[in-house]
Amino acid sequence: SQKIEQNSEALNIQEGKTATLTCNYTNYSPAYLQWYRQDPGRGPVFLLLIRENEKEKRKERLKVTFDTTLKQSLFHITASQPADSATYLCALEPSGNTPLVFGKGTRLSVIA
Amino acid sequence: NAGVTQTPKFQVLKTGQSMTLQCAQDMNHEYMSWYRQDPGMGLRLIHYSVGAGITDQGEVPNGYNVSRSTTEDFPLRLLSAAPSQTSVYFCASRDPGGNEKLFFGSGTQLSVL
Repeated sequence: SQKIEQNSEALNIQEGKTATLTCNYTNYSPAYLQWYRQDPGRGPVFLLLIRENEKEKRKERLKVTFDTTLKQSLFHITASQPADSATYLCALEPSGNTPLVFGKGTRLSVIA
Repeated sequence: NAGVTQTPKFQVLKTGQSMTLQCAQDMNHEYMSWYRQDPGMGLRLIHYSVGAGITDQGEVPNGYNVSRSTTEDFPLRLLSAAPSQTSVYFCASRDPGGNEKLFFGSGTQLSVL
Protein backbone atom coordinates (compact mmCIF):
# COMPACT_ATOMS: atom_id res chain seq x y z
CA SER A 1 0.00 0.00 0.00
CA GLN A 2 1.04 3.61 -0.45
CA LYS A 3 2.32 5.36 2.65
CA ILE A 4 3.97 8.60 3.63
CA GLU A 5 5.43 8.50 7.11
CA GLN A 6 7.06 10.99 9.39
CA ASN A 7 8.93 8.83 11.81
CA SER A 8 8.74 10.99 14.91
CA GLU A 9 5.47 12.22 16.30
CA ALA A 10 7.36 14.63 18.55
CA LEU A 11 10.92 15.89 18.76
CA ASN A 12 12.46 17.95 21.55
CA ILE A 13 15.68 19.81 20.90
CA GLN A 14 17.87 22.32 22.70
CA GLU A 15 18.01 25.86 21.38
CA GLY A 16 20.94 26.38 19.02
CA LYS A 17 21.11 22.75 17.91
CA THR A 18 20.14 21.39 14.50
CA ALA A 19 16.75 19.73 14.28
CA THR A 20 16.40 16.93 11.72
CA LEU A 21 12.96 15.65 10.71
CA THR A 22 12.42 12.60 8.51
CA CYS A 23 9.82 11.84 5.86
CA ASN A 24 9.71 8.39 4.24
CA TYR A 25 7.37 7.18 1.54
CA THR A 26 6.55 3.82 -0.02
CA ASN A 27 4.96 2.91 -3.35
CA TYR A 28 5.03 6.49 -4.61
CA SER A 29 7.25 8.01 -7.29
CA PRO A 30 6.78 11.71 -6.64
CA ALA A 31 8.23 14.35 -8.91
CA TYR A 32 8.68 16.60 -5.88
CA LEU A 33 8.11 16.80 -2.18
CA GLN A 34 6.95 19.75 -0.07
CA TRP A 35 7.35 20.77 3.56
CA TYR A 36 4.85 22.85 5.55
CA ARG A 37 4.81 24.41 8.99
CA GLN A 38 1.66 24.42 11.14
CA ASP A 39 1.20 26.43 14.32
CA PRO A 40 -1.55 25.56 16.83
CA GLY A 41 -4.96 26.78 15.66
CA ARG A 42 -3.65 27.79 12.24
CA GLY A 43 -3.55 26.30 8.76
CA PRO A 44 -0.33 24.86 7.35
CA VAL A 45 2.06 27.28 5.67
CA PHE A 46 4.32 26.27 2.78
CA LEU A 47 8.05 26.29 3.46
CA LEU A 48 10.01 24.49 0.75
CA LEU A 49 9.61 22.35 -2.35
CA ILE A 50 12.32 20.00 -3.61
CA ARG A 51 12.18 18.25 -6.97
CA GLU A 52 13.29 14.70 -7.74
CA ASN A 53 16.36 15.91 -9.62
CA GLU A 54 17.47 18.14 -6.73
CA LYS A 55 19.54 16.63 -3.95
CA GLU A 56 19.31 19.59 -1.62
CA LYS A 57 17.56 22.93 -1.26
CA ARG A 58 18.17 25.70 1.26
CA LYS A 59 16.21 28.68 2.54
CA GLU A 60 17.79 30.71 5.32
CA ARG A 61 18.21 28.26 8.26
CA LEU A 62 16.20 25.53 6.53
CA LYS A 63 17.64 22.73 4.43
CA VAL A 64 15.79 19.91 2.70
CA THR A 65 17.27 16.84 1.05
CA PHE A 66 15.54 14.36 -1.23
CA ASP A 67 16.85 10.84 -1.86
CA THR A 68 14.67 9.02 -4.40
CA THR A 69 16.66 5.80 -3.92
CA LEU A 70 16.01 5.70 -0.18
CA LYS A 71 12.53 7.24 -0.76
CA GLN A 72 13.28 9.74 1.95
CA SER A 73 13.40 13.47 2.58
CA LEU A 74 15.20 15.08 5.49
CA PHE A 75 14.27 18.53 6.81
CA HIS A 76 16.89 20.38 8.84
CA ILE A 77 16.59 23.54 10.91
CA THR A 78 20.00 24.85 11.92
CA ALA A 79 20.60 27.07 14.96
CA SER A 80 17.07 26.25 16.14
CA GLN A 81 15.12 28.82 18.15
CA PRO A 82 12.06 28.52 20.42
CA ALA A 83 10.12 30.32 17.65
CA ASP A 84 10.75 27.28 15.42
CA SER A 85 8.50 25.20 17.70
CA ALA A 86 5.61 23.98 15.53
CA THR A 87 4.36 20.92 13.69
CA TYR A 88 6.11 20.22 10.40
CA LEU A 89 4.34 18.32 7.64
CA CYS A 90 5.74 16.71 4.52
CA ALA A 91 3.57 16.24 1.45
CA LEU A 92 3.86 14.75 -2.00
CA GLU A 93 1.84 14.56 -5.19
CA PRO A 94 1.27 10.87 -6.06
CA SER A 95 1.24 11.58 -9.80
CA GLY A 96 0.88 14.56 -12.06
CA ASN A 97 -1.91 16.98 -11.17
CA THR A 98 -3.25 14.90 -8.29
CA PRO A 99 -4.01 16.23 -4.81
CA LEU A 100 -1.23 16.41 -2.25
CA VAL A 101 -0.96 13.58 0.29
CA PHE A 102 0.35 14.60 3.70
CA GLY A 103 2.31 12.87 6.41
CA LYS A 104 0.94 13.04 9.94
CA GLY A 105 3.52 15.61 10.98
CA THR A 106 6.27 15.95 13.55
CA ARG A 107 5.74 18.28 16.49
CA LEU A 108 9.02 20.07 17.16
CA SER A 109 9.70 21.73 20.50
CA VAL A 110 12.82 23.89 20.81
CA ILE A 111 13.75 24.33 24.45
CA ALA A 112 15.58 27.45 25.59
CA ASN B 1 -5.20 39.78 -1.15
CA ALA B 2 -7.01 38.06 1.69
CA GLY B 3 -5.88 34.62 0.46
CA VAL B 4 -8.13 31.73 1.52
CA THR B 5 -10.98 32.70 3.85
CA GLN B 6 -12.96 30.12 5.81
CA THR B 7 -16.11 30.72 7.81
CA PRO B 8 -17.14 30.04 10.49
CA LYS B 9 -14.07 29.51 12.70
CA PHE B 10 -16.01 27.45 15.24
CA GLN B 11 -19.27 25.56 15.03
CA VAL B 12 -21.19 23.21 17.30
CA LEU B 13 -23.88 21.01 15.77
CA LYS B 14 -26.24 18.40 17.02
CA THR B 15 -26.31 14.99 15.39
CA GLY B 16 -28.46 15.09 12.28
CA GLN B 17 -28.19 18.83 11.67
CA SER B 18 -26.92 20.14 8.38
CA MET B 19 -24.57 23.01 7.69
CA THR B 20 -22.25 24.48 5.09
CA LEU B 21 -18.63 25.40 5.66
CA GLN B 22 -17.69 28.32 3.47
CA CYS B 23 -14.40 28.75 1.62
CA ALA B 24 -13.43 31.62 -0.65
CA GLN B 25 -10.15 32.57 -2.30
CA ASP B 26 -9.19 35.74 -4.14
CA MET B 27 -6.07 34.46 -5.93
CA ASN B 28 -7.89 33.20 -9.03
CA HIS B 29 -6.77 29.65 -8.29
CA GLU B 30 -8.44 26.94 -10.33
CA TYR B 31 -7.67 24.17 -7.84
CA MET B 32 -9.41 24.08 -4.45
CA SER B 33 -9.67 21.32 -1.88
CA TRP B 34 -11.03 20.38 1.53
CA TYR B 35 -9.07 18.45 4.16
CA ARG B 36 -10.00 17.33 7.62
CA GLN B 37 -7.41 17.03 10.38
CA ASP B 38 -7.82 14.69 13.30
CA PRO B 39 -5.34 13.87 16.08
CA GLY B 40 -3.09 11.01 15.02
CA MET B 41 -4.57 10.93 11.51
CA GLY B 42 -3.01 13.94 9.86
CA LEU B 43 -4.61 15.81 6.98
CA ARG B 44 -7.01 13.72 4.91
CA LEU B 45 -8.52 14.89 1.64
CA ILE B 46 -12.32 15.07 1.50
CA HIS B 47 -13.12 16.58 -1.91
CA TYR B 48 -11.31 18.67 -4.46
CA SER B 49 -12.03 20.71 -7.57
CA VAL B 50 -9.81 21.57 -10.55
CA GLY B 51 -12.13 24.30 -11.78
CA ALA B 52 -15.66 25.66 -11.81
CA GLY B 53 -18.17 22.89 -12.44
CA ILE B 54 -15.67 20.08 -11.73
CA THR B 55 -15.39 18.23 -8.43
CA ASP B 56 -13.97 14.89 -7.37
CA GLN B 57 -13.78 12.74 -4.27
CA GLY B 58 -10.77 12.39 -2.05
CA GLU B 59 -9.86 9.81 0.58
CA VAL B 60 -12.79 10.43 2.98
CA PRO B 61 -15.78 11.83 1.01
CA ASN B 62 -18.67 10.05 2.75
CA GLY B 63 -21.10 12.39 4.49
CA TYR B 64 -19.90 15.47 2.60
CA ASN B 65 -21.07 17.24 -0.55
CA VAL B 66 -19.37 19.95 -2.56
CA SER B 67 -20.12 22.09 -5.57
CA ARG B 68 -18.06 24.64 -7.51
CA SER B 69 -20.18 27.21 -9.28
CA THR B 70 -17.51 29.93 -9.31
CA THR B 71 -13.70 30.01 -9.31
CA GLU B 72 -13.69 31.85 -5.97
CA ASP B 73 -15.96 29.68 -3.81
CA PHE B 74 -15.89 26.03 -2.76
CA PRO B 75 -18.42 25.29 0.01
CA LEU B 76 -18.47 22.00 1.91
CA ARG B 77 -21.87 20.70 2.98
CA LEU B 78 -22.63 18.29 5.78
CA LEU B 79 -26.10 16.93 5.07
CA SER B 80 -26.67 15.09 8.36
CA ALA B 81 -23.88 15.66 10.83
CA ALA B 82 -22.48 12.74 12.83
CA PRO B 83 -20.12 12.74 15.84
CA SER B 84 -17.47 11.13 13.60
CA GLN B 85 -17.38 14.40 11.67
CA THR B 86 -16.04 16.27 14.67
CA SER B 87 -12.77 17.60 13.32
CA VAL B 88 -10.85 20.64 12.12
CA TYR B 89 -11.55 21.41 8.48
CA PHE B 90 -9.13 23.18 6.18
CA CYS B 91 -9.73 24.60 2.75
CA ALA B 92 -6.75 25.01 0.44
CA SER B 93 -6.11 26.32 -3.06
CA ARG B 94 -3.29 26.41 -5.57
CA ASP B 95 -2.48 27.34 -9.14
CA PRO B 96 -3.18 24.65 -11.74
CA GLY B 97 -0.52 22.47 -13.30
CA GLY B 98 0.96 20.98 -10.15
CA ASN B 99 4.37 21.78 -8.69
CA GLU B 100 2.81 24.62 -6.75
CA LYS B 101 2.31 25.22 -3.08
CA LEU B 102 -1.03 24.98 -1.34
CA PHE B 103 -2.46 28.03 0.36
CA PHE B 104 -4.53 27.07 3.40
CA GLY B 105 -7.30 28.84 5.22
CA SER B 106 -7.24 29.20 8.98
CA GLY B 107 -9.62 26.31 9.53
CA THR B 108 -13.06 25.58 10.97
CA GLN B 109 -13.27 23.67 14.22
CA LEU B 110 -16.46 21.61 14.15
CA SER B 111 -17.96 19.69 17.06
CA VAL B 112 -20.92 17.38 16.52
CA LEU B 113 -22.69 16.38 19.72
